[in-house]
Amino acid sequence: AQSVAQPEDQVNVAEGNPLTVKCTYSVSGNPYLFWYVQYPNRGLQFLLKYITGDNLVKGSYGFEAEFNKSQTSFHLKKPSALVSDSALYFCAVRDKGAGSQGNLIFGKGTKLSVKP
Amino acid sequence: GAVVSQHPSWVICKSGTSVKIECRSLDFQATTMFWYRQFPKQSLMLMATSNEGSKATYEQGVEKDKFLINHASLTLSTLTVTSAHPEDSSFYICSARHNEVLELFFGSGTQLSVL
Repeated sequence: AQSVAQPEDQVNVAEGNPLTVKCTYSVSGNPYLFWYVQYPNRGLQFLLKYITGDNLVKGSYGFEAEFNKSQTSFHLKKPSALVSDSALYFCAVRDKGAGSQGNLIFGKGTKLSVKP
Repeated sequence: GAVVSQHPSWVICKSGTSVKIECRSLDFQATTMFWYRQFPKQSLMLMATSNEGSKATYEQGVEKDKFLINHASLTLSTLTVTSAHPEDSSFYICSARHNEVLELFFGSGTQLSVL
């Protein structure tokens, strides 16, 4: 069965510093991986995805993620954090189970806090 | 493009009443929509998969008679929480699948508070 793990409940960084939010996955076959961001009392916003091709994927708001097959990881990164990046971040993998109809399986989420 | 609208954003109701939440895909046709429930500081829990013109598929442990789902058109799915009780208070989120892409598009969520 497909699954993702986000080992950190919270990540704290200072504004202007690089940030990394970790995600590891467990899938059968080739993974389809996603990152979403959720602001308080809002739905999820799509940031980026990895399907195939370059291991470094660039997405919205300056975020990028690196697919590492040997480490089964898909960490989210940003070179210079902004206070406005503070939110809840979810890593997800596409469910390939029978009858899944394209649903995504989400990690538990990581709260990112960027301090001025 | 690929905008999903969810209404209402929040609702407060009395115990025993029913509440309907709408999820609309504004600029694409969504043959499949998903309904999730999210508790504070937790991940999304899939409740059911909604297919246009057919019965919804519910996840294990989700009461079909409690959470009624209707997907009457390619752009609208509704979730009705029947005879709501305080334990039904939660944040409900819908998402829609656009056939041409793999990512899902999410509504803004509905905060339900049952008194």
